[in-house]
Amino acid sequence: DAEITQSPRHKITETGRQVTLACHQTWNHNNMFWYRQDLGHGLRLIHYSYGVHDTNKGEVSDGYSVSRSNTEDLPLTLESAASSQTSVYFCASSERAGRFNEQFFGPGTRLTVL
Amino acid sequence: AQSVTQLGSHVSVSEGALVLLRCNYSSSVPPYLFWYVQYPNQGLQLLLKYTTGATLVKGINGFEAEFKKSETSFHLTKPSAHMSDAAEYFCAVTGTGGFKTIFGAGTRLFVKA
Repeated sequence: DAEITQSPRHKITETGRQVTLACHQTWNHNNMFWYRQDLGHGLRLIHYSYGVHDTNKGEVSDGYSVSRSNTEDLPLTLESAASSQTSVYFCASSERAGRFNEQFFGPGTRLTVL
Repeated sequence: AQSVTQLGSHVSVSEGALVLLRCNYSSSVPPYLFWYVQYPNQGLQLLLKYTTGATLVKGINGFEAEFKKSETSFHLTKPSAHMSDAAEYFCAVTGTGGFKTIFGAGTRLFVKA
């Protein structure tokens, strides 16, 4: 069965370190998204990609970067982790065609920055 | 621009009672509307969606939602709550922003025995 996986599931790091969160999907979806989930804020979009070599900033992109070298993967990098980036991070994907297509979510990565 | 407002961050019902989770949206173009559910320590999964056509949409686990354009609402209902329905529910909309989806802040549903 097709799926979307995230690794690691839990990560503890220190302020100032670079961290990369992995996202891998086997749906063969063109669209991929990274969100962070914080209490009271729902899901906020960090970055998104509509295809290989395409990346775009979301509403809370400062301090984060992504790259898309193939269809399956969209890693999220925190260049210099800050305590404000402690959160749960979700990766999602959707098919190219149509705004009506739902997103499929990974299980999430809980990141703690000390 | 689009936005989603979910009324009530927490809703508590008794097992067997009606579930009503409220969602209002704003969109400058005909919206596509979604309800997602998130169980503890899991990602979101689709409950149901409205695209075009019939305004009453049925989803999984006995949930349904009605699109009311005049009220800009897409409330989620279930006639009889079950303990397994305890989760967080997110209303979402896509509209003018390409394939981006705007999510509401979420409503946590508690079900009392």
